[in-house]
Amino acid sequence: GAVVSQHPSWVICKSGTSVKIECRSLDFQATTMFWYRQFPKQSLMLMATSNEGSKATYEQGVEKDKFLINHASLTLSTLTVTSAHPEDSSFYICSAGGKDNQPQHFGDGTRLSIL
Amino acid sequence: RKEVEQDPGPFNVPEGATVAFNCTYSNSASQSFFWYRQDCRKEPKLLMSVYSSGNEDGRFTAQLNRASQYISLLIRDSKLSDSATYLCVVNSGSSGSARQLTFGSGTQLTVLP
Repeated sequence: GAVVSQHPSWVICKSGTSVKIECRSLDFQATTMFWYRQFPKQSLMLMATSNEGSKATYEQGVEKDKFLINHASLTLSTLTVTSAHPEDSSFYICSAGGKDNQPQHFGDGTRLSIL
Repeated sequence: RKEVEQDPGPFNVPEGATVAFNCTYSNSASQSFFWYRQDCRKEPKLLMSVYSSGNEDGRFTAQLNRASQYISLLIRDSKLSDSATYLCVVNSGSSGSARQLTFGSGTQLTVLP
């Protein structure tokens, strides 16, 4: 069964709306979670590393004020796309795990469409 | 040069065929290696980890050559359900901590009836 749950799976909203995406680890505690973005026919690109109880680490070129990350508990990280615009339309995926050379597990992904 | 490079394909093969995917990575300090499969509009799912000694899981065989920085995936007796994009994934994180992954752009496979 799934070990990482992501919600919602699909969002369609107007330009200027802020959208919150949740990522939960279901049967383990995750001090670190990762947020990725994938555009059509491209590979997953890491956006940021979410750290429980501290600030997220953003990859170069990712605006921290645009993509707000909150990791308030050991099982939940949220990504808020603030004032979303059509160019933010993408497939957003979270992952957790990966300690000690183990593979990461991915959430189902959220398909975001901004009109 | 991309950190992880794959032949994008597409590979169109008949059912029952054997198909091989290749992947190279640029960071010689990379610690762990995986193949994931991603179905259209879905999240990546782990197919198998890749070990230096090579490993096999049913019809799937993965190989790692650290000297050449090369990873391969072999699928034997391919099934229609094998149709997906196969992602070569490399982890270059430091030991003992949660990892960051670098993804190849994926190789698209279509198995034809």
